[in-house]
Amino acid sequence: EPEVTQTPSHQVTQMGQEVILRCVPISNHLYFYWYRQILGQKVEFLVSFYNNEISEKSEIFDDQFSVERPDGSNFTLKIRSTKLEDSAMYFCASSERSLRGYTFGSGTRLTVV
Amino acid sequence: GESVGLHLPTLSVQEGDNSIINCAYSNSASDYFIWYKQESGKGPQFIIDIRSNMDKRQGQRVTVLLNKTVKHLSLQIAATQPGDSAVYFCAETPGGSYIPTFGRGTSLIVHP
Repeated sequence: EPEVTQTPSHQVTQMGQEVILRCVPISNHLYFYWYRQILGQKVEFLVSFYNNEISEKSEIFDDQFSVERPDGSNFTLKIRSTKLEDSAMYFCASSERSLRGYTFGSGTRLTVV
Repeated sequence: GESVGLHLPTLSVQEGDNSIINCAYSNSASDYFIWYKQESGKGPQFIIDIRSNMDKRQGQRVTVLLNKTVKHLSLQIAATQPGDSAVYFCAETPGGSYIPTFGRGTSLIVHP
């Protein structure tokens, strides 16, 4: 079964540093998403991406965040200057169009120290 | 603001019992609902969905019920197995959106 692959599985970074979280969506999917989940809390939408541009973003996705599809397979989330409160699981997801085909990756656990 | 929420944070059941996980939603514009299962260390996994023009939908061992009058959604799992132990999230999607809004989650613990 096709999978969304995320790397690394766990990243520890110092406050103020830049991090890039990487995702390889399912190959025939056209819509890409980033979500985050603070420990023990609900999954929160960050941003959606289609046709090489952001289609929707939440209030969480401020100027410190950016997304990019640098090539035909990777989809990245960059946090420019990490804060302690950025510590969370970050999930990438992709879909064709239908919500039914929304597939999540296993996540990257980001720990900011 | 409007939100999706869950009544019970933790549900413990015995193997073989039926489980019912509840969810309240308040956005009357939501017309599509999804249940996700999240196992430890993994991303949410689609279980079953239902549109607002239906009140019941069945899958393999799972049934979703939608009561639009009281804005209530439930997930029923028949003959619960230890492998069903996970956190279950309901999510709602307003009409025209492809972005589900997740509730907080209920932890289901199945005892052998």
